[in-house]
Amino acid sequence: QSALTQPASVSGSPGQSITISCTGSSSDVGGSNLVSWYQHHPDKAPQLMIYDGNKRPSGVSNRFSGSNSGNTASLTISGLQAEDEADYYCCSYSGSGAPNWVFGGGTKLTVL
Amino acid sequence: QVQLQESGPGLVKPSETLSLTCTVSGDSINSYYWSWIRQPPGRGLEWIGYMSYSGSTNYNSSLKSRVSMSTDTARNHFSLRLTSVTAADTAVYYCAKIAARSFDVWGRGTLVIVSS
Repeated sequence: QSALTQPASVSGSPGQSITISCTGSSSDVGGSNLVSWYQHHPDKAPQLMIYDGNKRPSGVSNRFSGSNSGNTASLTISGLQAEDEADYYCCSYSGSGAPNWVFGGGTKLTVL
Repeated sequence: QVQLQESGPGLVKPSETLSLTCTVSGDSINSYYWSWIRQPPGRGLEWIGYMSYSGSTNYNSSLKSRVSMSTDTARNHFSLRLTSVTAADTAVYYCAKIAARSFDVWGRGTLVIVSS
């Protein structure tokens, strides 16, 4: 299981939109639409922001959206706010054989 | 609302066994599937393994020879064992609840340092 590829960092100004990419292969990201995204503030528990590629859990702002094209999944955050500054991780589920998951390396979002 | 709390030794000697427990509150452990995930210092998240309420397990292939997970229904908790640890196993260890093929509830994490 190789880690999914994410940019190390992205940045944007308040009010802008940013997109974080997550590239895998046909055996993970490209094989299904079962990518989830997590927001992780230092010293806090990670929080699920997107599941099944584009679904938001209850309570997550609609400023967060997910999409998938081929072997690349994307997380878009619109109307950037200071509290969005955090690390973001993608994660792909594979149900072929026994269930297993692989994470991306993480992306540090800086709100300028 | 399900809540998770990790517990266990914060310091483990090299070559020994790391043992952690995740206590589940707010619901029965038999209602869901569970995972352990870790984050080494300065690095990203790594999935360790999964356990179903029926006891089925699957582990990250890179750790499979050293890891095991188990449940204690009476105490409503599940556990992680990682044998023959090295400094590379130093990390914050999280337990998480699985829903819709994702991790929807996480514990706050516990730091385990492997050092003599």
